[in-house]
Amino acid sequence: DIQMTQSPSSLSAFVGDSVTITCRASQSVTKYLNWYQQKPGKAPKVLIYVASSLQSGVPSRFTASGSGTDFTLTISSLQPEDSATYYCQQSFTTPWTFGQGTKVEIK
Amino acid sequence: QVQLVQSGSEVKKPGASVKVSCTASGYTFTSHPVSWVRQAPGEGLEWMGWINTNTGNPTYAQGFTGRFVFSVDTSVSTAFLQISSLKAEDTAMYYCTRDYYFSGFYYMDYWGHGTLVTVSS
Repeated sequence: DIQMTQSPSSLSAFVGDSVTITCRASQSVTKYLNWYQQKPGKAPKVLIYVASSLQSGVPSRFTASGSGTDFTLTISSLQPEDSATYYCQQSFTTPWTFGQGTKVEIK
Repeated sequence: QVQLVQSGSEVKKPGASVKVSCTASGYTFTSHPVSWVRQAPGEGLEWMGWINTNTGNPTYAQGFTGRFVFSVDTSVSTAFLQISSLKAEDTAMYYCTRDYYFSGFYYMDYWGHGTLVTVSS
């Protein structure tokens, strides 16, 4: 199975800051990498698919890049509603696997 | 609009079985696979596998074979997850997702609200 490793596990930042989350795959997943946001008590929702494509309705302050084994998700101008846990997930090959999650808190 | 509505929370005793439903609306049910994702309390997301809603053919991730069964009833646009011989470690939130095919791969574009299964004596 492909292992997905996110860093950091958690971060805390001020409203208006820019934050970056990193996701590394144990082998190449080419561009087949997705990002999800999960708020407490809610189901996850997709933010980014195929490494850098913004899902409809997602604010443009969410951007992502990468290919192969290394990927990043950046939230520019952090907002209070961005407080959540973020997961990367590869769909290059089954079983699809998720990173362990990065919890983003607002100071 | 696309919706996945899951059945309500369940409390079961060890050794019992549970069947979770996921009813789709707003799209053609048989055009997209359905995945199942488990989230144990305080933990991350784990893909359990998926089912081809057109053929009914399931694929299970390692660790979800034997006691876990995916099925569909296309007449009511519903996918099911059945877990038998429940154990305490099956206590988790279970999500169904619609899997969208894009440019050669899939991603989970819609999620159900989740069904909490609690296994306790």
